[in-house]
Amino acid sequence: SAVISQKPSRDICQRGTSLTIQCQVDSQVTMMFWYRQQPGQSLTLIATANQGSEATYESGFVIDKFPISRPNLTFSTLTVSNMSPEDSSIYLCSIQQSGNLNIQYFGAGTRLSVL
Amino acid sequence: DAKTTQPPSMDCAEGRAANLPCNHSTISGNEYVYWYRQIHSQGPQYIIHGLKNNETNEMASLIITEDRKSSTLILPHATLRDTAVYYCIVRVPGTNAGKSTFGDGTTLTVKP
Repeated sequence: SAVISQKPSRDICQRGTSLTIQCQVDSQVTMMFWYRQQPGQSLTLIATANQGSEATYESGFVIDKFPISRPNLTFSTLTVSNMSPEDSSIYLCSIQQSGNLNIQYFGAGTRLSVL
Repeated sequence: DAKTTQPPSMDCAEGRAANLPCNHSTISGNEYVYWYRQIHSQGPQYIIHGLKNNETNEMASLIITEDRKSSTLILPHATLRDTAVYYCIVRVPGTNAGKSTFGDGTTLTVKP
């Protein structure tokens, strides 16, 4: 199984600022995913980050608010821009295991609180 | 992806088997059943998956009915550390695993 490291593990931010979350994987993966988990809720996919191309965003999420970088096959960042209290959530990085088993692995998440 | 239905919560006594049901009555022939769990303050963790045969690994067993419209995840000897939200997901293996739809899951509470 893959090891996924997310930084920071948690942060408290002021309204209007931006936070960049890093995701580092211990092996090369083609597809990385970013999720949001609002308090008491299930996971919602924000976008799929493919190396060498623009991220693909799900309905309700836009690049200006959640810009994503994917400079290589082991690293990605998600930025939460111009934050408001409604952005307070856990943000999770995930990868798909190579092959066709469709098994996903997740980082421990970044717990974001916006004041 | 086929929609799944799970009970919102369940309790289980420590040391006893925990049986978590999942209904996926609209599952198609090439869709697999996957189970994940999310322990508080952690990311989801893969548990097990299957197509139509029963499966067992070091964590759990997966029982899929013959018509494949429902399944049960079995934790044979639940411990307090098994307290978590358990998600049942149905999808076709291949690309776009990230698009797996995580429903509300079942909150399992293991009690001493």
